[in-house]
Amino acid sequence: AQKITQTQPGMFVQEKEAVTLDCTYDTSDQSYGLFWYKQPSSGEMIFLIYQGSYDEQNATEGRYSLNFQKARKSANLVISASQLGDSAMYFCAMREGQMDSNYQLIWGAGTKLIIKP
Amino acid sequence: ETGVTQTPRHLVMGMTNKKSLKCEQHLGHNAMYWYKQSAKKPLELMFVYSLEERVENNSVPSRFSPECPNSSHLFLHLHTLQPEDSALYLCASSQESFQMNTEAFFGQGTRLTVV
Repeated sequence: AQKITQTQPGMFVQEKEAVTLDCTYDTSDQSYGLFWYKQPSSGEMIFLIYQGSYDEQNATEGRYSLNFQKARKSANLVISASQLGDSAMYFCAMREGQMDSNYQLIWGAGTKLIIKP
Repeated sequence: ETGVTQTPRHLVMGMTNKKSLKCEQHLGHNAMYWYKQSAKKPLELMFVYSLEERVENNSVPSRFSPECPNSSHLFLHLHTLQPEDSALYLCASSQESFQMNTEAFFGQGTRLTVV
């Protein structure tokens, strides 16, 4: 079974609108971390935001926020006031807390976001 | 100067060639990683080095051989590759490899095509 599921292969959003990118995860660990990365066409992965499983508040970083719903095992990324430069691939990733996982990042397949002018 | 630098950016090689990918990080991190990114597949972790020691090798074929001479440099030596090895190879670094909330910083990748 996939540990990280991103159900939206692609999305088109009008500039200045808010956008939500979905991510659900599967783990039996109580301690884990969730990450979102952005990958523009240039190739590098850019870290956006982190949410720890014990964090009581949803993480926010500028225009990025993470809608963390622990019971549903979802960690959706919300981008407010989208900009043309937000067009990129977006990846959700998880790091589990068990030692035998070696704290590896487990990645979703990504969502391609295109912002329309 | 970017945090993680990869060279070359693009590489075309024949199946009998030997080539090397280079990664350099200027962030003072202790851990470095090689990832493979194929089209429409999640990122695959290949190797992890922590303080210049290999701590993870995810069943990668021996035609891929990593080398970490110091904490700032990481190489991936390639020989007798197959066309299915064509992919984007990403290098990353992080402060530690075994810390829950540590984010990884990535290079721009090497686009490898095996002909």
